[in-house]
Amino acid sequence: KNEVEQSPQNLTAQEGEFITINCSYSVGISALHWLQQHPGGGIVSLFMLSSGKKKHGRLIATINIQEKHSSLHITASHPRDSAVYICAVPGGGADGLTFGKGTHLIIQP
Amino acid sequence: NAGVTQTPKFQVLKTGQSMTLQCAQDMNHNSMYWYRQDPGMGLRLIYYSASEGTTDKGEVPNGYNVSRLNKREFSLRLESAAPSQTSVYFCASSERGLAGATDTQYFGPGTRLTVL
Repeated sequence: KNEVEQSPQNLTAQEGEFITINCSYSVGISALHWLQQHPGGGIVSLFMLSSGKKKHGRLIATINIQEKHSSLHITASHPRDSAVYICAVPGGGADGLTFGKGTHLIIQP
Repeated sequence: NAGVTQTPKFQVLKTGQSMTLQCAQDMNHNSMYWYRQDPGMGLRLIYYSASEGTTDKGEVPNGYNVSRLNKREFSLRLESAAPSQTSVYFCASSERGLAGATDTQYFGPGTRLTVL
């Protein structure tokens, strides 16, 4: 089973700061997912990537397959970015996902 | 499009009662999943279905049964609820059948279940 570790578990920052959330996993994968869980509980997929870097607005996700590590960056952070960010990889049963425990991000105005 | 819908949103059961959580998607996806989310544990896969008529166990299937009624609907049944099944349950879907874990997954809003 793939083990997924995220850091930090909790992060509080000021509006405008550059944010980095890290994810490492134990077994080689074909794709890695970043998801966002809103304070109301809903979960949305942000990125799925298998190599290199992807960018969507102020969010950037990178992955290093050799080092089994991915990072999620948020530029010019805003209070509306406050959420739990979750990393996931294939392996939770033959066709499901294994999830990290999440990083709880709070952006203060 | 509604995406992935779940009913009910909230439910309180007594130990030993049974209930069925309903999930439907309107995106013509092949794969559907049931996850549970517990504090400090992260999401865990209960069951999944790669296509209509097929289901497979995930990481934590004990105490649950599922039915893939048709391509749209995937239900989760608790036959005899236990307090350990108190959790938030999420249904999800993805486009592909096999290897759906390498597709974007779309989540329902969740069902918050409390078993007393």
